[in-house]
Amino acid sequence: AQSVTQLGSHVSVSEGALVLLRCNYSSSVPPYLFWYVQYPNQGLQLLLKYTSAATLVKGINGFEAEFKKSETSFHLTKPSAHMSDAAEYFCAVSDEDSNYQLIWGAGTKLIIKP
Amino acid sequence: EAGVAQSPRYKIIEKRQSVAFWCNPISGHATLYWYQQILGQGPKLLIQFQNNGVVDDSQLPKDRFSAERLKGVDSTLKIQPAKLEDSAVYLCASSLSRSGRARSYEQYFGPGTRLTVT
Repeated sequence: AQSVTQLGSHVSVSEGALVLLRCNYSSSVPPYLFWYVQYPNQGLQLLLKYTSAATLVKGINGFEAEFKKSETSFHLTKPSAHMSDAAEYFCAVSDEDSNYQLIWGAGTKLIIKP
Repeated sequence: EAGVAQSPRYKIIEKRQSVAFWCNPISGHATLYWYQQILGQGPKLLIQFQNNGVVDDSQLPKDRFSAERLKGVDSTLKIQPAKLEDSAVYLCASSLSRSGRARSYEQYFGPGTRLTVT
């Protein structure tokens, strides 16, 4: 069965520092992978997605993620954190076995220190 | 393009009362999803519609939850009677189609309804 593991329920970085949010997935067939962001009291917004094209995916707000099949990972990065990046980030996978429903990670809350 | 609309944004009810949530998906989106998100957790799929038919409701507590999508557009989710553990944010999402292309599975979310059961 598909699953998504996000390492670290909370990640704290200083403003201007590198952001790295980890996501590992399990899937027996080629997956589609997504990162969503959720700001307080708001719904989920798609940051970026991997759909079997380029392994390095660029998203909105300066975020990018790299699909590494050998490591079954899809980590999210941003070179320089802004205060406005403080939010909760969710990684999700879908594939044919899940009938293309999204299987979600538990989320990582990103805290930005001034 | 208008996004997914949900109402109300907030609702407080007492246990054993009933409540209903409304969702209007993005125009032309065939697939509609209702999720329950408990604080500190990822979303949990409750029900998925394709047009006005149910694709998956395996995680919907059918003894108290019901949902419908008349005419394949708007949808309502009802809880009757509510329990304390139903306190959560209820998210509605829509996507273009279930068929072939990944772009079609990209889900767009509404702002959610925060339900508090006391």
